[in-house]
Amino acid sequence: AQSVTQPDIHITVSEGASLELRCNYSYGATPYLFWYVQSPGQGLQLLLKYFSGDTLVQGIKGFEAEFKRSQSSFNLRKPSVHWSDAAEYFCAVGATAAGNKLTFGGGTRVLVKP
Amino acid sequence: GAVVSQHPSRVICKSGTSVKIECRSLDFQATTMFWYRQFPKQSLMLMATSNEGSKATYEQGVEKDKFLINHASLTLSTLTVTSAHPEDSSFYICSILLAGGRYNEQFFGPGTRLTVL
Repeated sequence: AQSVTQPDIHITVSEGASLELRCNYSYGATPYLFWYVQSPGQGLQLLLKYFSGDTLVQGIKGFEAEFKRSQSSFNLRKPSVHWSDAAEYFCAVGATAAGNKLTFGGGTRVLVKP
Repeated sequence: GAVVSQHPSRVICKSGTSVKIECRSLDFQATTMFWYRQFPKQSLMLMATSNEGSKATYEQGVEKDKFLINHASLTLSTLTVTSAHPEDSSFYICSILLAGGRYNEQFFGPGTRLTVL
């Protein structure tokens, strides 16, 4: 079975500072990994995804994530946070062998201080 | 990407009534759709996989008789919460599955907020 852990429930960061959100996954085969962002009361927006190839993935809104197989991690980063980045962020793992179902982490809520 | 809509966006109902939520794929045909539930300040939990023309597949612990899913066409899946109770109050999100090479990707709707009084 696949599982995802996001160790940080809340993160507060100052505007302009860098941001890193942690994600650890568990899956027996090659995982497909995703980061989504959710604003309050809204659906999910895909930030980026990793299927294979280059382990550093670029996404929208200036986000990037690095897949590290040895650490079973897929951490999300942004060099300089904007106030509009305040939201809930979800890491997810999926697999074709699992019927393309997604398993989500618990989420990390990001607060941005002026 | 694909555009997915949900209707209604918000619904309030009395305990014991049934509520239907629609999930539409606006620009692609979707053989498979998923239904998720998200309680406040929690993550998304997969409820069921909706397959066009066949019965839905429910995740463990989800009552199929309470959460009726109908995927009657390639662009529409409906979730009916029967005899709703306050504990069914939640944010319900659907997604469609599109074939895209090695991995079939999901695209999400904006969600439906259900409040049961």
